[in-house]
Amino acid sequence: DGGITQSPKYLFRKEGQNVTLSCEQNLNHDAMYWYRQDPGQGLRLIYYSQIVNDFQKGDIAEGYSVSREKKESFPLTVTSAQKNPTAFYLCASRSWDRGEQYFGPGTRLTVT
Amino acid sequence: ILNVEQSPQSLHVQEGDSTNFTCSFPSSNFYALHWYRWETAKSPEALFVMTLNGDEKKKGRISATLNTKEGYSYLYIKGSQPEDSATYLCAFEDDYKLSFGAGTTVTVRA
Repeated sequence: DGGITQSPKYLFRKEGQNVTLSCEQNLNHDAMYWYRQDPGQGLRLIYYSQIVNDFQKGDIAEGYSVSREKKESFPLTVTSAQKNPTAFYLCASRSWDRGEQYFGPGTRLTVT
Repeated sequence: ILNVEQSPQSLHVQEGDSTNFTCSFPSSNFYALHWYRWETAKSPEALFVMTLNGDEKKKGRISATLNTKEGYSYLYIKGSQPEDSATYLCAFEDDYKLSFGAGTTVTVRA
C-alpha cells in the first residue's frame, strides 16, 4: 500500500525543547513538502524539497529546519526559536511531473 | 505570500440541494489551480488540478470551472449528500509551490 506516514499523531513538548516530526513516503515521489495549519487559516508552506539533498524555504520557515538525506524521508524539526509552535503539521509529496499532492495524516503538536 | 481567497468560509446545504463556492487567485504567472477535499479525521485528497483557461473538470457530482484571466474558479456540488460534508481547499500553483486558501467548509444536512 503506497502512501505517506507521519508520526506521531499527537506530540506534546515543553517550551524550549526542539522536536522532530517524521514524514515517510513510499510513493517514489521526488518532491516533498511541509505545511502548517492554524485555525481559520489556509495551509502555509514551511519547507519543500524537490530532490534529495536539496530543500528550499517556504513562506514561514523561521524557527524550523529540515533535512532530505533519503528520497523517502523528509523530517521537520521545530526548534525553540519558533515562537508559536503549537499547530497541526501536514506533510505532502508529489512526483516530479507536478500534478496533485498527496498528504499524510498530520501531526498535532502542542507546546506548553 | 500569494493571496488566495475562498468564499464563503462555510455553508450549510440541505441533502439533495446543489451548491457552489468560489476561489479567487492572482491572475498573473498562473501555472495551475488545485482543488482538495479534506474530510474530518482524514488527509486532504486531490479533486482536480486545472491548468487551462476555460477548463471544466468533473468527478461524480462535483465539478469545477476555471477562469485564469480574471483569477477565479468555481466548485459545484450537484445533489449534495452527507458524504460531501468536508472542507474544500483551493491552491494556486506558482514555481512548484502551492498557496492555499483558508477553505470552504460544507455541511450537508440530512
